[in-house]
Amino acid sequence: QVQLVQSGVEVKEPGASVKISCKASGYTFSNYGINWVRQAPGQGLEWMGWISPYNGDTNNAQKFQGRVTMTTDTSTNTAQMELRSLRSDDTAVYYCARSINWDFDLWGRGTLVSVSS
Amino acid sequence: QSALTQPRSVSGSPGQSVTISCTGTTSDVGGYNYVSWYQQDPGKAPKLIIYDVNKRPSGVPDRFSGSKSGNTASLTVSGLQAEDESDYYCCSYAGIYTSWVFGGGTKLTVL
Repeated sequence: QVQLVQSGVEVKEPGASVKISCKASGYTFSNYGINWVRQAPGQGLEWMGWISPYNGDTNNAQKFQGRVTMTTDTSTNTAQMELRSLRSDDTAVYYCARSINWDFDLWGRGTLVSVSS
Repeated sequence: QSALTQPRSVSGSPGQSVTISCTGTTSDVGGYNYVSWYQQDPGKAPKLIIYDVNKRPSGVPDRFSGSKSGNTASLTVSGLQAEDESDYYCCSYAGIYTSWVFGGGTKLTVL
């Protein structure tokens, strides 16, 4: 079954870091990019960045540069996204989404990250 | 504030057609034919329903159609059904530095 399975809920304090995983199955992992998109409570979607599992190339939204790291492990077909120096406005559901061209055709179910003291 | 502008809400009766607009600039919607649309039910992940402005993935009903004119893209849902009630987001490629931008989302209500 073609799917992206994400890790579970995270609760963090301000200033901490969070690392979310996204495990792909049912397709050739290296053939598609992995994107990270977040959605704050009651808000719209926000693209954070992209990574190529094929060669590790990344492209992050300027807003997150210096605070986000995206990696992939082709031996386990897993992508990870680490966000550092968390703030309360980082509270959101974080999605991984597959891309091959100019759209996101497969999404994970999302990981809720709650940042609160 | 989202990069692309969508109406907050639209509504229509079963069987009618509704159109959701998505307005950007020459740097995104107007500059590339890479507009996609996503349907998101409450508590669920988004689902791709239109890509490359007007193409439908396999399994998406042909009641959903997309178009673009200048800096504005549109999603039209024809023959509205109760199950179409959802949130809809547009997305556009915006070049190598910005990459992708989303609209703020539109809530479609089937009356």
